[in-house]
Amino acid sequence: DADVTQTPRNRITKTGKRIMLECSQTKGHDRMYWYRQDPGLGLRLIYYSFDVKDINKGEISDGYSVSRQAQAKFSLSLESAIPNQTALYFCATSGPGANEQFFGPGTRLTVL
Amino acid sequence: GENVEQHPSTLSVQEGDSAVIKCTYSDSASNYFPWYKQELGKGPQLIIDIRSNVGEKKDQRIAVTLNKTAKHFSLHITETQPEDSAVYFCAASNGGGADGLTFGKGTHLIIQP
Repeated sequence: DADVTQTPRNRITKTGKRIMLECSQTKGHDRMYWYRQDPGLGLRLIYYSFDVKDINKGEISDGYSVSRQAQAKFSLSLESAIPNQTALYFCATSGPGANEQFFGPGTRLTVL
Repeated sequence: GENVEQHPSTLSVQEGDSAVIKCTYSDSASNYFPWYKQELGKGPQLIIDIRSNVGEKKDQRIAVTLNKTAKHFSLHITETQPEDSAVYFCAASNGGGADGLTFGKGTHLIIQP
């Protein structure tokens, strides 16, 4: 089984809808991240969390919110989706004192 | 904040030849520089990284060099093979990656048979 899972893998929604992307990990890591990938732009950090009580904004947090329900779960929400939030979203995890980030398979989101 | 520039955006090399991808960063406080490989339909995967107290690091056919004075670092792949075809991203962080990574825009490496 994959160490970092994301659901759904693909989602099509309409402008104005609320949507939640979920991430779960079995690696026992404390740090979790959400990134957004757009063609030709690389990956950009949306939010990150060091534990369930520690949430931090990244480079492009506007229009997004997150929830760390447990050490293993980190959800990303779009309260009112807009077309320019169409992108590939990745969750990542990292262990204490470690540098490497482990990425999930991604969620492809399309906002019409 | 940190800004990472990556070149080229596309690189095509003959199988067996070497490939070099270059990145520059803006924040002199950055101290951690990883390289990720992303295959089609998958998430990025770390292939090699280097910290600011080291000038070069090798792992079999892959090497990374860092020039702190010039604020640039490079990925070198020797004896390229078809399975090296992918998108490669450089990244930088001033907290060892704990506060997240700033990525370059990626290089699509194509290995020609």
